[in-house]
Amino acid sequence: AQSVTQPDIHITVSEGASLELRCNYSYGATPYLFWYVQSPGQGLQLLLKYFSGDTLVQGIKGFEAEFKRSQSSFNLRKPSVHWSDAAEYFCAVGAKGGSQGNLIFGKGTKLSVKP
Amino acid sequence: EAQVTQNPRYLITVTGKKLTVTCSQNMNHEYMSWYRQDPGLGLRQIYYSMNVEVTDKGDVPEGYKVSRKEKRNFPLILESPSPNQTSLYFCASSPFGGARGEKLFFGSGTQLSVL
Repeated sequence: AQSVTQPDIHITVSEGASLELRCNYSYGATPYLFWYVQSPGQGLQLLLKYFSGDTLVQGIKGFEAEFKRSQSSFNLRKPSVHWSDAAEYFCAVGAKGGSQGNLIFGKGTKLSVKP
Repeated sequence: EAQVTQNPRYLITVTGKKLTVTCSQNMNHEYMSWYRQDPGLGLRQIYYSMNVEVTDKGDVPEGYKVSRKEKRNFPLILESPSPNQTSLYFCASSPFGGARGEKLFFGSGTQLSVL
């Protein structure tokens, strides 16, 4: 069964600084990987996903993530954080192959942005 | 408009009084899932369903029931709610549970308080 670990519960960065949120997964084969964002009081919105091909994927709001098979990681990055990026971020893994699957989420990382 | 609709948005109840949180999707999705979100614990899956009449336990199924009699509806039932079920609940759906790299569509959430 697949699993996801987000080692950082809470991160604070200054506005304009770069950001990297960590995600490690456990799965026997190449998985589908996702990053979702949850703004306060909102549901979850898909930021980006990886399912094949280029290991560096671009998402909405200027985010990108890199799939590293050797490290079982899918870290989320942004070069310059904006105050509106303050939210909770969830990494998720889906089983690749087969007709159906079940997404598993990490515990999330809460991002605070200092002015 | 494609959407997942949860009701109610807020619910306050007392211990032991049966309640149902409804979830409906209008996208003909095979897969539906319930999550609870608690501070520091992230999103934990309660139950999921791959198709009509097919349901499976997630990580925290105790104290909950679900049914999937129709493709569009996936109600969450708390037969005898207890205070430790006070939480924010999300319903989600997708065509195949992420198995083909597709995203989940989330409802707006139900904030449940059990006194």
